[in-house]
Amino acid sequence: DIQLTQSPSFLSASVGDRVTITCRASQGISSYLAWYQQKPGKAPKLLIYAASTLQSGVPSRFSGSGSGTEFTLTISSLQPEDFATYYCQQLNSYPLPFGGGTKVEIK
Amino acid sequence: EVQLVESGGGLVQPGGSLRLSCAASGFTFSSYWMHWVRQAPGKGLVWVSRINSDGSSTSYADSVKGRFTISRDNAKNTLYLQMNSLRAEDTAVYYCARVARFDAFDIWGQGTMVTVSS
Repeated sequence: DIQLTQSPSFLSASVGDRVTITCRASQGISSYLAWYQQKPGKAPKLLIYAASTLQSGVPSRFSGSGSGTEFTLTISSLQPEDFATYYCQQLNSYPLPFGGGTKVEIK
Repeated sequence: EVQLVESGGGLVQPGGSLRLSCAASGFTFSSYWMHWVRQAPGKGLVWVSRINSDGSSTSYADSVKGRFTISRDNAKNTLYLQMNSLRAEDTAVYYCARVARFDAFDIWGQGTMVTVSS
């Protein structure tokens, strides 16, 4: 089974900061990776699919990159509504694990 | 409005059973693959199961294989998860989700809480 390692698990940042989250797969998954945002008590929200394609309606400050085994989610200028937990998910083969999550908190 | 609404969660004793439902509206349910994902209190997301659009093919996480059964009724626009032999470690919020482009999950329900405890 493919494992996903997400880092960091916790991140403290200020409004306006550039933030980068990394997701590493234990074997190559091409571009079959998605990123989700989850706020407390809410369902996850799809941000990025196919590693780098922005889901409709998601602000352009979010971007994704990578292929194979290493992927990144970047928020170019952190906004107050971006404080949340972010998860990556591989979609190349079953099972479909999520990364452990990155909680982004206000500094 | 495109929407998924889960129901059927609750408190059940270890070894018991529960059936979750996920009612879909606002889109052609029969055209989409669907998944169940769960999240234990304070923990991360865990993929549970998936079913293809006509219900002829399914997959399960090892942790639920042989105990959980995913199914769907396209005439009723409803997805199901039959959960048997429940364990304390099955305690979680259960989400249903729709598969979109490149297999990502683009629409999620609000979740239904399942608590397994004596």
